[in-house]
Amino acid sequence: GAGVSQSPSNKVTEKGKDVELRCDPISGHTALYWYRQSLGQGLEFLIYFQGNSAPDKSGLPSDRFSAERTGGSVSTLTIQRTQQEDSAVYLCASSLVSSVSTDTQYFGPGTRLTVL
Amino acid sequence: DAKTTQPTSMDCAEGRAANLPCNHSTISGNEYVYWYRQIHSQGPQYIIHGLKNNETNEMASLIITEDRKSSTLILPHATLRDTAVYYCIVRVGRNNNDMRFGAGTRLTVKP
Repeated sequence: GAGVSQSPSNKVTEKGKDVELRCDPISGHTALYWYRQSLGQGLEFLIYFQGNSAPDKSGLPSDRFSAERTGGSVSTLTIQRTQQEDSAVYLCASSLVSSVSTDTQYFGPGTRLTVL
Repeated sequence: DAKTTQPTSMDCAEGRAANLPCNHSTISGNEYVYWYRQIHSQGPQYIIHGLKNNETNEMASLIITEDRKSSTLILPHATLRDTAVYYCIVRVGRNNNDMRFGAGTRLTVKP
């Protein structure tokens, strides 16, 4: 079946511009996560959505970052007034959270954001 | 989540088994051992996970010691495409918000 997809695969923008990154999770997965990965670094958690619950935004680095998940499926990560330090690969993951599953996260290919 | 320790890098000959160790001496009773890998410029790929028993799937085998303080990921017949960074993660399997990836092991499969 189809995995997690993300778009665009690459995004180059100028400092100060806003960007939107999209994530399509695996169909039926109730949990969705956003991470970012700077060059040569590990994953940094950003935000987590689970069903209709309020999202866990504890990883968002500043108020320039926001995310929404419409209809419990597609998610958009928005970065306003981008800065050069926002340059990274932004990864989305989804998982099926149930009483019998172990919340295994499946990752998309990522969006490589470059802020000039 | 418990901390894990992995070697920084390993080499393996193509066609041979690759055995990647992971130490997780502070693992709790309800924490699973997960393995992911990340091939250059791609998102992390799930490989396998386990709690107590050894596990096997089409990609790999996971051997967990009886005291659960360490584990080994085995790729039975490594190919050049298996060259990647391999991450060992221990975490509660449910209702956990994020994956904490460490530095991992950079496996290089050589012809």
